[in-house]
Amino acid sequence: GNSVTQMEGPVTLSEEAFLTINCTYTATGYPSLFWYVQYPGEGLQLLLKATKADDKGSNKGFEATYRKETTSFHLEKGSVQVSDSAVYFCALNYLPGGGNKLTFGTGTQLKVEL
Amino acid sequence: NAGVTQTPKFRVLKTGQSMTLLCAQDMNHEYMYWYRQDPGMGLRLIHYSVGEGTTAKGEVPDGYNVSRLKKQNFLLGLESAAPSQTSVYFCASSYSTGRGGDRDTEAFFGQGTRLTVV
Repeated sequence: GNSVTQMEGPVTLSEEAFLTINCTYTATGYPSLFWYVQYPGEGLQLLLKATKADDKGSNKGFEATYRKETTSFHLEKGSVQVSDSAVYFCALNYLPGGGNKLTFGTGTQLKVEL
Repeated sequence: NAGVTQTPKFRVLKTGQSMTLLCAQDMNHEYMYWYRQDPGMGLRLIHYSVGEGTTAKGEVPDGYNVSRLKKQNFLLGLESAAPSQTSVYFCASSYSTGRGGDRDTEAFFGQGTRLTVV
């Protein structure tokens, strides 16, 4: 079946440091890939997505490229801020039937310190 | 902008009690979902609905029932709560493009319901 594997956290960085959160997936066919972010006390919200191989999703300085050859969708940001502290979830969708039914990774907590 | 609203936000149940979690969305979305979030396991899909009057099982449906009598509401029921159902429950919704599939559309999440079963 489908699955998503993320690097375990927490990840602690200083402000303005470079961020990479690794994500790899297992799926048959060609899934769409997503990164969702969960700020403390809130629900998840979409950060970025990519729907086919070699696509790059980007938003708020975050980027991720859909790499079919390595089945990966790593999240990167060049300079993190304290406000980026949150839990980041990698997810895919390749389930039959209608709608956007997501398979999530376990989440990676990011803490950014001054 | 209400978006997706879940009630209640917190609840403590005794084993064997029943309860219903309510999810309401004001975005006229076709699709609605219930997930549970457990430490070290991410979010897992419990049930979902592709339209008013329809429901379907997700990855972990056992012990739960759902109903979607109105397009804007999606109810999750626990008939006889068990400690294994202690979790944070998230409702989500997404729209239909009208072109079929709709696998890429953004899912909008509620703030969650923290349920403890003792």
